[in-house]
Amino acid sequence: GESVGLHLPTLSVQEGDNSIINCAYSNSASDYFIWYKQESGKGPQFIIDIRSNMDKRQGQRVTVLLNKTVKHLSLQIAATQPGDSAVYFCAERPIGGTSYGKLTFGQGTILTVHP
Amino acid sequence: EAEVAQSPRYKITEKSQAVAFWCDPISGHATLYWYRQILGQGPELLVQFQDESVVDDSQLPKDRFSAERLKGVDSTLKIQPAELGDSAMYLCASSRDNGEKLFFGSGTQLSVL
Repeated sequence: GESVGLHLPTLSVQEGDNSIINCAYSNSASDYFIWYKQESGKGPQFIIDIRSNMDKRQGQRVTVLLNKTVKHLSLQIAATQPGDSAVYFCAERPIGGTSYGKLTFGQGTILTVHP
Repeated sequence: EAEVAQSPRYKITEKSQAVAFWCDPISGHATLYWYRQILGQGPELLVQFQDESVVDDSQLPKDRFSAERLKGVDSTLKIQPAELGDSAMYLCASSRDNGEKLFFGSGTQLSVL
C-alpha cells in the first residue's frame, strides 16, 4: 500500500546548526501533513502542520516545506538544541482510497544533537 | 495546558490474560484515536471514534481487541487474550477536527510475557 517514508533514518548535528529532516510521500491525494517529535518513552508531540494548498509554513524555530511536484516534505529546525534530540515522524492524511481521512505515519528519523 | 491522559503507564502481563487501557481525551475533542506503536516504527491506527461512534476499526484485530467510548468522552481499549506479539506502546490521541492536529497521550507500554 501507499506509505510515507524517510530518506535518512538518522541525523547527527552540532548544537546551533540548522537541521533538515526529509520525508517522501507516495500518496498524491493527501491533503494534510504533520510533523511530530517523539522523545524516548513518551507520546508523539505536535510540532507543525501544513495543508496541501500551501508550500511553506513557519513556526517557532521550525519551518515545514511541501513540494507536491516531487511529493516531498521537510522539517527545518533552526539553531538546533540538545533538547531537540528525538525521533521525528512525518504523517499524511489521504483523501482517497482505503486510507481516507486516516493519519498515516512514516518510520521516523532519529535526530541527535551534540553539544 | 490540556493533555490526553492515559493509564496505566506500564503494564506487564502473561499471554492469555486480559488487559485494559484507559484514555481521557482533551476536553471538547470529539475525535478519539487508539494507535499501536512497535519500537522503531511509526504509530498505526487501531480504531477511531467520532463522539461515541466507531468510524474506523478496519485495523483492529476484532477477535481479541475491543474498544468503547460509551459516553463520547473517555475510552477503554481491551485485549483478551493477550499474545506475545501484542507487546507495544498503545497510544491514545484526540483531535478537535477529524484527522487534523492530533494530540497524543504518553501511552501505555505493554509487555506480554
